[in-house]
Amino acid sequence: GAVVSQHPSRVICKSGTSVKIECRSLDFQATTMFWYRQFPKQSLMLMATSNEGSKATYEQGVEKDKFLINHASLTLSTLTVTSAHPEDSSFYICSAREGLAGGLEQFFGPGTRLTVL
Amino acid sequence: GENVEQHPSTLSVQEGDSAVIKCTYSDSASNYFPWYKQELGKRPQLIIDIRSNVGEKKDQRIAVTLNKTAKHFSLHITETQPEDSAVYFCAARGLYTSGTYKYIFGTGTRLKVLA
Repeated sequence: GAVVSQHPSRVICKSGTSVKIECRSLDFQATTMFWYRQFPKQSLMLMATSNEGSKATYEQGVEKDKFLINHASLTLSTLTVTSAHPEDSSFYICSAREGLAGGLEQFFGPGTRLTVL
Repeated sequence: GENVEQHPSTLSVQEGDSAVIKCTYSDSASNYFPWYKQELGKRPQLIIDIRSNVGEKKDQRIAVTLNKTAKHFSLHITETQPEDSAVYFCAARGLYTSGTYKYIFGTGTRLKVLA
């Protein structure tokens, strides 16, 4: 099946620093990738949809200047949490849709656990 | 905006019994409804999905039903086993005003199967 990787799997940083998370589709091309945030015992909240070669579409309430998304190729999207603060600590998960036409199923990465001290 | 409601939030069943989780969506343009199982600290795993042109789909012990008129869809797990214990999420594929798609998740159901 389609495989999506994320790096790093876990990161601890100091308040005020920036953190970059990578999401890669390993064996397929993905024009669309999604970024989710999941707090403990809560659901996946869509943060933004990342489209290759164009600007990301952010959900209401998500600051685009704080959560920078770059989808530079058909296999890589990055999320940069700028000036991270303790309240940004969460589980960040990406997903990707297969195929240039965009299939129905989305494939999830393993997630990145961010802890901001 | 679009939302997906999911009930119950927790569900405990005896091993061998059935479990039913229900979801309601708001966006009438939604046309794809996946169900995910998530174990602690891991990625969601697709367990079954259904498209809007189908009313029911079954895969061994798992089935999903869809009522488009009522905007309801449900997950049915029969003959539950302890390894079915996890958090289950429903989702609906919604439509941006730009014409592209996104997935809206339900709030999740924590299923415990008691041995």
